[in-house]
Amino acid sequence: KAGVTQTPRYLIKTRGQQVTLSCSPISGHRSVSWYQQTPGQGLQFLFEYFSETQRNKGNFPGRFSGRQFSNSRSEMNVSTLELGDSALYLCASSLVSQLAKNIQYFGAGTRLSVL
Amino acid sequence: QKEVEQDPGPLSVPEGAIVSLNCTYSNSAFQYFMWYRQYSRKGPELLMYTYSSGNKEDGRFTAQVDKSSKYISLFIRDSQPSDSATYLCAMSAHNNDMRFGAGTRLTVKP
Repeated sequence: KAGVTQTPRYLIKTRGQQVTLSCSPISGHRSVSWYQQTPGQGLQFLFEYFSETQRNKGNFPGRFSGRQFSNSRSEMNVSTLELGDSALYLCASSLVSQLAKNIQYFGAGTRLSVL
Repeated sequence: QKEVEQDPGPLSVPEGAIVSLNCTYSNSAFQYFMWYRQYSRKGPELLMYTYSSGNKEDGRFTAQVDKSSKYISLFIRDSQPSDSATYLCAMSAHNNDMRFGAGTRLTVKP
């Protein structure tokens, strides 16, 4: 069974640009969550999508947005990039069964560098 | 006060040692407790999963949850250099909104 796939693995952008990251969840998983990981702040929750609807949102500015498609694939967009957006962006997918829904499986991440 | 507290280390041990990693938390609604292992420049990998209180063993790894003390632990027996990684604790209530610890960086020296 293929794992969570994130593309691209690495990105270099300049301040003010925008970026789109992609995530393909494990087959059968319907929930996709996005996280930002930095050395100083650790793993911080961005948002979660389920059935094409944003179900939960962390404490990030509106420059961070996402969407989910009917095949559960998800994209995350960051507009007007700032230097502080440099981070590893992780996507995690999970089933929505009663016991399993809280187990998330992570992709390898997209490392974004903003210059 | 953060919802989940985890000592970031770094922790360095000799090969074969028993490693103890810990997290404390403040939210009594947390029911699901997980440990992830993250190698450098990779995504976190689920290592152990426990629902509510109790112990769970998987090979050299043992996870313990003490809900009365709001304290969880991960023990690694006979540690190997390949165990060198950052270990993240994570927990959630009945929704899917997980909270992570800062991660403990572990180095096992040959």
